[in-house]
Amino acid sequence: DAGVIQSPRHEVTEMGQEVTLRCKPISGHNSLFWYRQTMMRGLELLIYFNNNVPIDDSGMPEDRFSAKMPNASFSTLKIQPSEPRDSAVYFCASSGRGVNEKLFFGSGTQLSVL
Amino acid sequence: KNQVEQSPQSLIILEGKNCTLQCNYTVSPFSNLRWYKQDTGRGPVSLTIMTFSENTKSNGRYTATLDADTKQSSLHITASQLSDSASYICVVMLYSGGGADGLTFGKGTHLIIQP
Repeated sequence: DAGVIQSPRHEVTEMGQEVTLRCKPISGHNSLFWYRQTMMRGLELLIYFNNNVPIDDSGMPEDRFSAKMPNASFSTLKIQPSEPRDSAVYFCASSGRGVNEKLFFGSGTQLSVL
Repeated sequence: KNQVEQSPQSLIILEGKNCTLQCNYTVSPFSNLRWYKQDTGRGPVSLTIMTFSENTKSNGRYTATLDADTKQSSLHITASQLSDSASYICVVMLYSGGGADGLTFGKGTHLIIQP
């Protein structure tokens, strides 16, 4: 398996623009997570899905953030409009459903909002 | 409040030396504790997962220990190599009967191995 695949790897955009981050989880995994990582706050959970259904989006900072998982092999995280404080690395991760299941991370999207 | 504190924040050691990274947590009820390695520009990669009943777990030159009574864990790296330069993140899972959704992340220890 190729692992969790994220795109793009880097995104530079101007404030106010829409940003869409994409993720393909590992085949067979039924849990998908979106995280944001900054130097100050470390890794923060934004939202997670079980079997394509959003379970907890309490970590989504504002209504400007939205996430979808239309099928088991694809998810998007959208920011509209983007702001400079959204600059961070965004990770997608997937796992099976068991308590001791490993969490597999993608390589992340480095987002810079100017 | 569930928290995971790691120390030191950063560490520099010479190649070939051993080192130990610390993790203290207040997560309760506890399910398991995980150590991840994150190389620069990459996503975290799982090193070990320990449940309540496990005191130690090894993965090559990495050995993690867990004291559930004192809520402390350590990650010991033996005979360090340049490729060990990375951030090491301690993650504690809240017992919720579910999957990897109740995770609390530490901010990591940034380890630099010098030749």
